[in-house]
Amino acid sequence: GAGVSQTPSNKVTEKGKYVELRCDPISGHTALYWYRQSLGQGPEFLIYFQGTGAADDSGLPNDRFFAVRPEGSVSTLKIQRTERGDSAVYLCATRLAGATGELFFGEGSRLTVL
Amino acid sequence: QQQVKQSPQSLIVQKGGISIINCAYENTAFDYFPWYQQFPGKGPALLIAIRPDVSEKKEGRFTISFNKSAKQFSLHIMDSQPGDSATYFCAARKLTGGGNKLTFGTGTQLKVEL
Repeated sequence: GAGVSQTPSNKVTEKGKYVELRCDPISGHTALYWYRQSLGQGPEFLIYFQGTGAADDSGLPNDRFFAVRPEGSVSTLKIQRTERGDSAVYLCATRLAGATGELFFGEGSRLTVL
Repeated sequence: QQQVKQSPQSLIVQKGGISIINCAYENTAFDYFPWYQQFPGKGPALLIAIRPDVSEKKEGRFTISFNKSAKQFSLHIMDSQPGDSATYFCAARKLTGGGNKLTFGTGTQLKVEL
């Protein structure tokens, strides 16, 4: 596709459940980022992949959050034992290799934990 | 610790007027300052960006003013139009050793009235 694709666009789950959010990057974009945007706030950095490896996961709030990118393309953000405070829009962004490449964001996955 | 502070939280401007949004940062290691525009239900999109070696950058109706000594930068939208109504985020990034991750401000909700 032409842009960053995120699925599902909306996810409603119950407290304690496990969820997976998927990001399909723009073709050829080697760097991939996950951000979390709470209502009325700016996006907050979670994790950054360069290729298959997580180059920086310093933004993950706790060990319930995990992300993978096994083949260097699609990435999945995994949240275990969801809590109501995890409710937010999870944004994926990708860019070409090179430090100054523009970040392109997807439309996000809105997670609601009841 | 909020590394990028943004104001105002919301702004109403008449059509044809000038919209001004301000940001201040603390980390002197930041060396790239983009502004993002976000419409409801969409991901943020890069609007304009500046590096600290220049004091001003203009692209069409959008201008960034940068004051390195004060650690402040601002977005000016000239001849504001109803289509500019959106949420605007300033951000900052460390190009060296920062993994290109962005630190965002809290956002300004702009409404341009007819």
